Amino acid sequence: NAGVTQTPKFQVLKTGQSMTLQCAQDMNHEYMSWYRQDPGMGLRLIHYSVGAGITDQGEVPNGYNVSRSTTEDFPLRLLSAAPSQTSVYFCASSYVGPLGTGELFFGEGSRLTVL
Amino acid sequence: RKEVEQDPGPFNVPEGATVAFNCTYSNSASQSFFWYRQDCRKEPKLLMSVYSSGNEDGRFTAQLNRASQYISLLIRDSKLSDSATYLCVVNRGTNAGKSTFGDGTTLTVKP
Repeated sequence: NAGVTQTPKFQVLKTGQSMTLQCAQDMNHEYMSWYRQDPGMGLRLIHYSVGAGITDQGEVPNGYNVSRSTTEDFPLRLLSAAPSQTSVYFCASSYVGPLGTGELFFGEGSRLTVL
Repeated sequence: RKEVEQDPGPFNVPEGATVAFNCTYSNSASQSFFWYRQDCRKEPKLLMSVYSSGNEDGRFTAQLNRASQYISLLIRDSKLSDSATYLCVVNRGTNAGKSTFGDGTTLTVKP
């Protein structure tokens, strides 16, 4: 029962480097999203997608890009890492029903440190 | 003002205690509401959805008050295993892209 799989679990970058956080789900969910969580705070939405080929910005999109070429995969790209992007990143997916999206299923998180 | 605000906590209670968390939201168009549980350094997991009529799952009861724009979570007979951070989540529409998380309330249950 894989659910939502994120890689890598840990990453250290230098300022200005780029990288991609991978997210894959095997539940055939239409909805996928990326959140960041800073210490003592809740989750803030970075980008989300309601289906292949469709993405939209969340609350804190600057410095991040996403694409959704398949239902299963939703990678998050950091274009030029900055220390302010040091955080824990969670990918989540959900089905979309008649009442909207249901339970969010999260990956285990990716802990990113930017020096 | 934040769109979703929770009791700041932390809550430190003895085993067997009853504890209640409140969460207020500012957007009256909000449509669905959830409580998630997050253990230290782990991913959030759904605890309960919150329905207009209120709902109960074992020791946990969730209530929604649309008029006052708040939701609550009541935990009865607290267990050590209930120690975690509880996140309030509010959806402004049928698209979960409009989900907003509160900052969470940390509960520690002590022997």
